[in-house]
Amino acid sequence: KQEVTQIPAALSVPEGENLVLNCSFTDSAIYNLQWFRQDPGKGLTSLLLIQSSQREQTSGRLNASLDKSSGRSTLYIAASQPGDSATYLCAVRGANSKLTFGKGITLSVRP
Amino acid sequence: EAQVTQNPRYLITVTGKKLTVTCSQNMNHEYMSWYRQDPGLGLRQIYYSMNVEVTDKGDVPEGYKVSRKEKRNFPLILESPSPNQTSLYFCASSKDRGLSGELFFGEGSRLTVL
Repeated sequence: KQEVTQIPAALSVPEGENLVLNCSFTDSAIYNLQWFRQDPGKGLTSLLLIQSSQREQTSGRLNASLDKSSGRSTLYIAASQPGDSATYLCAVRGANSKLTFGKGITLSVRP
Repeated sequence: EAQVTQNPRYLITVTGKKLTVTCSQNMNHEYMSWYRQDPGLGLRQIYYSMNVEVTDKGDVPEGYKVSRKEKRNFPLILESPSPNQTSLYFCASSKDRGLSGELFFGEGSRLTVL
């Protein structure tokens, strides 16, 4: 059974800092990995999708990498801003299209 | 605008009163899925559908039913709701039977069962 872990559960950083959010998974037989952002009480917004054949994806200040063999992905956020404060979830797509989510990392960026 | 629409967004009901949460997508996606999100437990899949008339159980299907009679709609049915089904529910959809496509989420439906 696939398990996805995101540690730490919460993170607080000063504005302007570059930061890395980690995601690990136990079964490397995945189709893709997706990073989401969730604001309190809101739905999930897709940030980046990495296919199993890819190593990384970039969108603006965000860069996500995937190391399938070691079961790891990182989300890099450059020059963090207070507006980046949210919960960040990773999810892996495995057999039968099943999506398994991590519990998320709640990020707070202090002005 | 491409979107996944859920209704109702908020609902308070009583134990045993049947309810349906609707989900509709306008992106012609084949794959649709329901999740519930609970504090400390994260997002858990309830049911999913890889195409019309094809549905499968997720991790927590007990107490729920779904149907996929047409491509755009995937309603979640609670035949006899109980307080442990109080949760935040999300519908999502994806193209390509979900194997490679990006997953798009609705805004969520907050359900309280008294």
